[in-house]
Amino acid sequence: DAGVIQSPRHEVTEMGQEVTLRCKPISGHDYLFWYRQTMMRGLELLIYFNNNVPIDDSGMPEDRFSAKMPNASFSTLKIQPSEPRDSAVYFCASSLLALGNTEAFFGQGTRLTVV
Amino acid sequence: AQKVTQAQTEISVVEKEDVTLDCVYETRDTTYYLFWYKQPPSGELVFLIRRNSFDEQNEISGRYSWNFQKSTSSFNFTITASQVVDSAVYFCALSYLGGATNKLIFGTGTLLAVQP
Repeated sequence: DAGVIQSPRHEVTEMGQEVTLRCKPISGHDYLFWYRQTMMRGLELLIYFNNNVPIDDSGMPEDRFSAKMPNASFSTLKIQPSEPRDSAVYFCASSLLALGNTEAFFGQGTRLTVV
Repeated sequence: AQKVTQAQTEISVVEKEDVTLDCVYETRDTTYYLFWYKQPPSGELVFLIRRNSFDEQNEISGRYSWNFQKSTSSFNFTITASQVVDSAVYFCALSYLGGATNKLIFGTGTLLAVQP
């Protein structure tokens, strides 16, 4: 298996623009997670899905952020409009079962820079 | 509250030295899970180990070993005979299933620099 695939790897955009990050989880995994990594806040969970259904989005910073999982093999994280403080590395991860019964596997991340 | 503390921000060792990375966790749940992840300079997060709260057996995998002690709420990670390729940021994480949530709570990470 190719692992969790994220695209793009790097994204530079201007403030106010819409940004869409993409993720393909490992085939057969029922859980998908979006994390954000910043120097100030470290690694924090934004949202996770179970069988394509959003379960916990309490980490989504504000309404400018939205995430979808239209099918088992694809998820998007959208920021509209983007702001410089959204600059971070965004990780997608997937797991076969609930965490604890298994581990989460992470993609290589998307480094987002908003100027 | 659920929390993971990695008090060591940075550690620098010389190749072949042994090094221990500390992890202290807080949770009120009796069932929880602990993880270690490695983030090399290339940026990806690599899974190293998962341990559940009912299994206090220490584990060894090659040069890596983990010491889980519930009495002190610690899950420490030791690298024996460190190598330059071990240079990375290492994260300890906690997961719990209480409250119908399912998330990894990460510590702030320890940057390990192994000098040749």
